[in-house]
Amino acid sequence: NAGVTQTPKFQVLKTGQSMTLQCAQDMNHNSMYWYRQDPGMGLRLIYYSASEGTTDKGEVPNGYNVSRLNKREFSLRLESAAPSQTSVYFCASSERQVTGEQYFGPGTRLTVT
Amino acid sequence: QKEVEQNSGPLSVPEGAIASLNCTYSDRGSQSFFWYRQYSGKSPELIMSIYSNGDQEDGRFTAQLNKASQYVSLLIRDSQPSDSATYLCAVPSGGYNKLIFGAGTRLAVHP
Repeated sequence: NAGVTQTPKFQVLKTGQSMTLQCAQDMNHNSMYWYRQDPGMGLRLIYYSASEGTTDKGEVPNGYNVSRLNKREFSLRLESAAPSQTSVYFCASSERQVTGEQYFGPGTRLTVT
Repeated sequence: QKEVEQNSGPLSVPEGAIASLNCTYSDRGSQSFFWYRQYSGKSPELIMSIYSNGDQEDGRFTAQLNKASQYVSLLIRDSQPSDSATYLCAVPSGGYNKLIFGAGTRLAVHP
């Protein structure tokens, strides 16, 4: 039981390049989330998916797109990376009924130069 | 005012002491509160949940909720160096399991 997995672990991009961060969970959870974490800012929600087939914007969605591919997988895409998107990205999942209990993946450390 | 506020610290306590971490929130309608622990370079993990006024205890950890004053605290008894981490307070918002996180308090337990 791997829980929540994320790929890649590290990535360096040049400004303007695109990439997709992958996330998968094997806990049969309904809801999935993408956060970014910057020093002194805590975790900020980028996008979430309450259930398969739905996605919604969070607090900081600009510059990102998401796809809920199926119940297990939720990807985050940066179409044209900017230095302001340098951050650590976490994917998380939860059962819809248990509001605060989220399980996090190991994170992706992204640097945009 | 931010929705969830925490003192960034660092909070430094000696081994064996009680560490007290505090969190204030703005939404008077909040019904549940969560404490996550995050070790340096790792992902957050849930350590405590509290749903009603009063105390919720789990081993060395006690979460305390005061809805009238809109604060929630986490007490760690007999602090150990392994407790050194950043502690994040989280409050549900807007339905659909969205959580609002505080910026976290860094705790350092020194031998």
